[in-house]
Amino acid sequence: AQSVTQPDIHITVSEGASLELRCNYSYGATPYLFWYVQSPGQGLQLLLKYFSGDTLVQGIKGFEAEFKRSQSSFNLRKPSVHWSDAAEYFCAVGAVDFGNEKLTFGTGTRLTIIP
Amino acid sequence: DSGVTQTPKHLITATGQRVTLRCSPRSGDLSVYWYQQSLDQGLQFLIQYYNGEERAKGNILERFSAQQFPDLHSELNLSSLELGDSALYFCASSVGPTGELFFGEGSRLTVL
Repeated sequence: AQSVTQPDIHITVSEGASLELRCNYSYGATPYLFWYVQSPGQGLQLLLKYFSGDTLVQGIKGFEAEFKRSQSSFNLRKPSVHWSDAAEYFCAVGAVDFGNEKLTFGTGTRLTIIP
Repeated sequence: DSGVTQTPKHLITATGQRVTLRCSPRSGDLSVYWYQQSLDQGLQFLIQYYNGEERAKGNILERFSAQQFPDLHSELNLSSLELGDSALYFCASSVGPTGELFFGEGSRLTVL
């Protein structure tokens, strides 16, 4: 069964600083990987996804993530954060088997932005 | 706006009661997923339907049940409610098997 680990429960960065949120996954085959963001009181919004091909994927709001198979990682990055980026971020892994389509989410990383 | 609609947004009820949460997926999406989000358990997958049929089951209690109707909307029924069932329940939909989900804004259930 697939699993996802987000080792950082809470991260605080200054506005304008760079950001990297860590995600490690466990899955026996080629995974589908996702990053979602959840603002307070809102549902989850897809930031970006990796299915295959280029290991550096670009997403919305200036985010990018890099798939590293050798490290089983899919870290999310942003060169300069904005106060509006404060939210909870979830990494997720999806199975490629059509018969099992559920996503497994990590426990999330809460991002706080300080002025 | 994800295109996924959930009702009600908030619900307060008592222990032992039964509630029904409703979800309308995005137009054209055949898969509907239910997730429970609580502080202590995080985001837990409950169940998935595809075109009216149950496709995958996760950590769903026997007191909970769901179904997807011919018009593709789905309902999650929670019965014999306990305090620990208080959580945010999300519905999500997708068009196919790639796992790219679109989430509704959730139904916040409070059991007193």
